[in-house]
Amino acid sequence: QQQVKQSPQSLIVQKGGISIINCAYENTAFDYFPWYQQFPGKGPALLIAIRPDVSEKKEGRFTISFNKSAKQFSLHIMDSQPGDSATYFCAAMGGKLIFGQGTELSVKP
Amino acid sequence: DAGITQSPRHKVTETGTPVTLRCHQTENHRYMYWYRQDPGHGLRLIHYSYGVKDTDKGEVSDGYSVSRSKTEDFLLTLESATSSQTSVYFCAISNRTGYYNEQFFGPGTRLTVL
Repeated sequence: QQQVKQSPQSLIVQKGGISIINCAYENTAFDYFPWYQQFPGKGPALLIAIRPDVSEKKEGRFTISFNKSAKQFSLHIMDSQPGDSATYFCAAMGGKLIFGQGTELSVKP
Repeated sequence: DAGITQSPRHKVTETGTPVTLRCHQTENHRYMYWYRQDPGHGLRLIHYSYGVKDTDKGEVSDGYSVSRSKTEDFLLTLESATSSQTSVYFCAISNRTGYYNEQFFGPGTRLTVL
């Protein structure tokens, strides 16, 4: 019940395309859903986050879509750029942060 | 990396030896965390601290211990390292818990246990 399942494990997108990463959870007590971005050799950094009473949050090219009834949320990266190439982690907060398995995104020029 | 340093950054050790990793922060944040990152597992919480001398276990605490004698330092000790503890270890800090608990991560320590 404490797991957060993330897919796909890896993703290749052409420059200008849309990158979509999906996460699913079981624990309905989770009350905060952040996404972290990690570049090679660096620690993860908060990218964007959403509360479960909101269905969508947009910050620039990054959008979180949240479906409370399905217990799923996703990250959409519009107009993907080579600089977006990184590993992305979804997470859920229920006292402690539970991270998904990570998605390695590669944006080809 | 938000005023967080980890030392050492890389370490190779042998099975059965003790290892201590250090996390140092200059942000005066109350909460500190140790995670390990492994392919296919994401980041998993090992131990965390909610104040000086106040620590608790995370998801994968077996084989690890921690200590926090000062606000700025959080030590992770592997009493007797095993090959399964080969991983990248990240320290994180935050100044609140609950909703919008943004955690700031250090640069990581790559540990190899032979």
